[in-house]
Amino acid sequence: DTEVTQTPKHLVMGMTNKKSLKCEQHMGHRAMYWYKQKAKKPPELMFVYSYEKLSINESVPSRFSPECPNSSLLNLHLHALQPEDSALYLCASSPREVTEAFFGQGTRLTVV
Amino acid sequence: GESVGLHLPTLSVQEGDNSIINCAYSNSASDYFIWYKQESGKGPQFIIDIRSNMDKRQGQRVTVLLNKTVKHLSLQIAATQPGDSAVYFCAETSSNDYKLSFGAGTTVTVRA
Repeated sequence: DTEVTQTPKHLVMGMTNKKSLKCEQHMGHRAMYWYKQKAKKPPELMFVYSYEKLSINESVPSRFSPECPNSSLLNLHLHALQPEDSALYLCASSPREVTEAFFGQGTRLTVV
Repeated sequence: GESVGLHLPTLSVQEGDNSIINCAYSNSASDYFIWYKQESGKGPQFIIDIRSNMDKRQGQRVTVLLNKTVKHLSLQIAATQPGDSAVYFCAETSSNDYKLSFGAGTTVTVRA
């Protein structure tokens, strides 16, 4: 299995909602990442988990809360988002510190 | 074939011609570089990588060139095909880091 699987593929949420994005990989990778990508822009790093511990938070607002329940799973909990948070949210994994980072297909998030 | 000396946001290529996509990186400490391909509605897909102890690496129909002196990276695609139409991103990091920083991206359109 060489895939990073993200669910859901699409999500529409109101500004008062709470939702979660999920990411799963079974490649035994020990580093997992969340990226945010706006239209026609490159992906921007949000969080990095290394060996299930948060190692990098790129000054992301607290309305985004990551969680790594185990080495295969990565969640991103969303609460009180703003319309400008609408974007493609990408999960990635790599064997350890960055070598080949494998990306999922992303969750297209729309905040209304 | 089509080639550009500087990074351009778009590149139009005749099917069957060779393509050259350029990228300038900014961090002198970066020693690992990756090219990704992103098709519409999908996550970035790994194409090829190169470490700073090399100046050229070849894959299937793709070649990456690295010039550390001027901090320049290029991706050459041989015999460009319609399926090569996508946005291409270069990314840089250092071996002991988890931060993978993406360039602005080049949109390649293949003309039949």
